Amino acid sequence: ETGVTQSPTHLIKTRGQQVTLRCSSQSGHNTVSWYQQALGQGPQFIFQYYREEENGRGNFPPRFSGLQFPNYSSELNVNALELDDSALYLCASSLANTGNTEAFFGQGTRLTVV
Amino acid sequence: GEDVEQSLFLSVREGDSSVINCTYTDSSSTYLYWYKQEPGAGLQLLTYIFSNMDMKQDQRLTVLLNKKDKHLSLRIADTQTGDSAIYFCALISGGYNKLIFGAGTRLAVHP
Repeated sequence: ETGVTQSPTHLIKTRGQQVTLRCSSQSGHNTVSWYQQALGQGPQFIFQYYREEENGRGNFPPRFSGLQFPNYSSELNVNALELDDSALYLCASSLANTGNTEAFFGQGTRLTVV
Repeated sequence: GEDVEQSLFLSVREGDSSVINCTYTDSSSTYLYWYKQEPGAGLQLLTYIFSNMDMKQDQRLTVLLNKKDKHLSLRIADTQTGDSAIYFCALISGGYNKLIFGAGTRLAVHP
């Protein structure tokens, strides 16, 4: 157990809808990163939040957005869902300002868009 | 851009050693990682190596790093059926420490 929890574990949405995924970071960790893992592929970096602000972003469109709260938990929001958004969404927490970013992952949310 | 390549599949007999290989393009990465993913699960951090090291051993796991050839490997000694999973090589890239992953190597352990 990493101490990183994600909810929900599974979700089915219709194309065009909006979805919110949630992540509670490991105690003591102040940085949350989100990754998208399509079937048969490695995780792809979406963005990172540190001190409630977006701290870096991968190659994802603006309809992917996020939030980080004062307790360091985080949300990933995806608007106007497309079929290709179907994937496992992983949250990772880490402690910034350390040289070794040991990122600990949650179990993921499996999103299916139909 | 950054790229991480792994072979997709490895099959070994129980009790043998497994060696999973990874090559990468970004030579500025300070830390390189190995993650394990079991079916339907998230990623488990197995081990990591700092870029100024050549080797790191952690129980049954040995990580070798060849910076000149940009080659990273993970050796699992005495491989067990419980080691069957997908193994991802990852490295840090960018000022905000995003992880770049390979596509993963599926390890199958048979009796």
